Amino acid sequence: QKEVEQDPGPLSVPEGAIVSLNCTYSNSAFQYFMWYRQYSRKGPELLMYTYSSGNKEDGRFTAQVDKSSKYISLFIRDSQPSDSATYLCAMGDQTGANNLFFGTGTRLTVIP
Amino acid sequence: DSGVTQTPKHLITATGQRVTLRCSPRSGDLSVYWYQQSLDQGLQFLIHYYNGEERAKGNILERFSAQQFPDLHSELNLSSLELGDSALYFCASSAGRSSGNTIYFGEGSWLTVV
Repeated sequence: QKEVEQDPGPLSVPEGAIVSLNCTYSNSAFQYFMWYRQYSRKGPELLMYTYSSGNKEDGRFTAQVDKSSKYISLFIRDSQPSDSATYLCAMGDQTGANNLFFGTGTRLTVIP
Repeated sequence: DSGVTQTPKHLITATGQRVTLRCSPRSGDLSVYWYQQSLDQGLQFLIHYYNGEERAKGNILERFSAQQFPDLHSELNLSSLELGDSALYFCASSAGRSSGNTIYFGEGSWLTVV
């Protein structure tokens, strides 16, 4: 079983839709949860960073972490064509691991 | 712009050859991470250096090696290249020594082995 599971999509939505992206994980030691956005052939760009459980909002983006279910989500409100990209979830623990575990990414297309 | 600089951006080389990828971390960051991204494997962690010392190894092949220099820049050396080594290689940096610190990625080095 992979440490992090993410639906690869692809996901196509009309402009203005609410997008929900999700990841599940198996390691209960994970404490740090991140979402990265990656445009084609570009480096991943950090979107959201969350420590432990709860919600975090930044503009049109909301990140949710449910540690009891080992499930994290990224919601995008009023989606725009410029949101079309691959979204990667990432997570890590603080007990000595020095690398992040990444999902395989979900490719999102927002259609004008 | 994340502040992480990688060179070269694109590289085409033949099987059996050796290449060196270079990374300059963000100003002040002591940690450098190397990742490989291929179409079928996603983003794979290779190795992490903190202030010149190796901190963790991931799925890094024996044909690959890395180092971090006193000025904190890092190099990833790939030798005896095979077709399957064709991928995007990303460097990332963070301020601290653990993954609890946010890591920032460079734009990547696109390696094609022919």
